[in-house]
Amino acid sequence: NAGVTQTPKFRVLKTGQSMTLLCAQDMNHEYMYWYRQDPGMGLRLIHYSVGEGTTAKGEVPDGYNVSRLKKQNFLLGLESAAPSQTSVYFCATKRGATEAFFGQGTRLTVV
Amino acid sequence: EDKVVQSPLSLVVHEGDTVTLNCSYEVTNFRSLLWYKQEKKAPTFLFMLTSSGIEKKSGRLSSILDKKELFSILNITATQTGDSAVYLCAVEATGTASKLTFGTGTRLQVTL
Repeated sequence: NAGVTQTPKFRVLKTGQSMTLLCAQDMNHEYMYWYRQDPGMGLRLIHYSVGEGTTAKGEVPDGYNVSRLKKQNFLLGLESAAPSQTSVYFCATKRGATEAFFGQGTRLTVV
Repeated sequence: EDKVVQSPLSLVVHEGDTVTLNCSYEVTNFRSLLWYKQEKKAPTFLFMLTSSGIEKKSGRLSSILDKKELFSILNITATQTGDSAVYLCAVEATGTASKLTFGTGTRLQVTL
């Protein structure tokens, strides 16, 4: 039982490159979230999904896109990476009004 | 806009000390407040509080919520070096797809 798995764990991108972060969960949770964590800023919500085929914007959505084609997977895309997107990205899942379970994070550096 | 403020931002204590971490919040239609511990990687869940005045306790950690004054505290007694981490407070409002709004965290360092 893996829980919440993020891939990749580390990545270095050049400005303007694109990439996709994958979050996979085996807990059958409806809700999935992408957060970014920056020093002194806490966790900020980028996008979220309340079920397969649905997505919505969070607090800091600019520069990111998401898709949830299958219930167990939530993808976060960067179409044209910028240095401001250097961060640690966390995926989380919830089963309604319960605690959130987090993946191990992806450390992304954009140079 | 929901808001969560944690204090202090950082704290250094000696092993064996007792610490109190604070979390105040402003949220429309409050549902719950959650505490997480974050070491090097993913935040791990500690407590969820929904009712005021009820203490949640797990070993040396305990937490209480005051819904009237809009704050929560996390207490750690007899601290150990393994308690060194960032402690995150988050709130959830009703009708918001169960989204969590996080504070910036309190970095706790426990020294020998």
